[in-house]
Amino acid sequence: DAGITQSPRYKITETGRQVTLMCHQTWSHSYMFWYRQDLGHGLRLIYYSAAADITDKGEVPDGYVVSRSKTENFPLTLESATRSQTSVYFCASSEVISKAEAFFGQGTRLTVV
Amino acid sequence: AQSVTQLGSHVSVSEGALVLLRCNYSSSVPPYLFWYVQYPNQGLQLLLKYTSAATLVKGINGFEAEFKKSETSFHLTKPSAHMSDAAEYFCAVSDSGGGADGLTFGKGTHLIIQP
Repeated sequence: DAGITQSPRYKITETGRQVTLMCHQTWSHSYMFWYRQDLGHGLRLIYYSAAADITDKGEVPDGYVVSRSKTENFPLTLESATRSQTSVYFCASSEVISKAEAFFGQGTRLTVV
Repeated sequence: AQSVTQLGSHVSVSEGALVLLRCNYSSSVPPYLFWYVQYPNQGLQLLLKYTSAATLVKGINGFEAEFKKSETSFHLTKPSAHMSDAAEYFCAVSDSGGGADGLTFGKGTHLIIQP
């Protein structure tokens, strides 16, 4: 199916563990984004990518690592998870920047215990 | 730099009443503006967008928004609320100057529809 998919949908992990959230899009969009959603903060940009092998920090990048070896995949890794990283994570993609809409995945609800 | 302010974290209206969700933006260049809707346990879906064409923008599900440069506003309206409109609504701004970091979101407004 065409679209943007995130996996897993739900994840519980322990403090200090490494965890990777996956994001895959089938449109060959150039731009991809990772946001986290927290009550009272809306969505905040973690990292974004303009193309394969091009990534840059967003508003809240600390504690996260991304890679983009292929256009369609944009995994987000928490190197050593902390309780403050408990959140809902959304991946999005966009054909061009600025005026085009971004398409969002269903989200991953991550709980760090 | 750009920012978005959504007035009211919760808005409650009666079914059939007017829906008005407020959004004010700040941008150093002419902005592109978006409204997204999020239903429970789902991702965000685009309702409508303003990209410097008509200032009154019509979207899906009967929603519309008007870009007012003098007021730096992009308020979302719907003449008659339906129970299915209950959701979280996000206003977002993008930099028309070509900034590569995507959308800046407001904190969201939770719309409650009273029967």
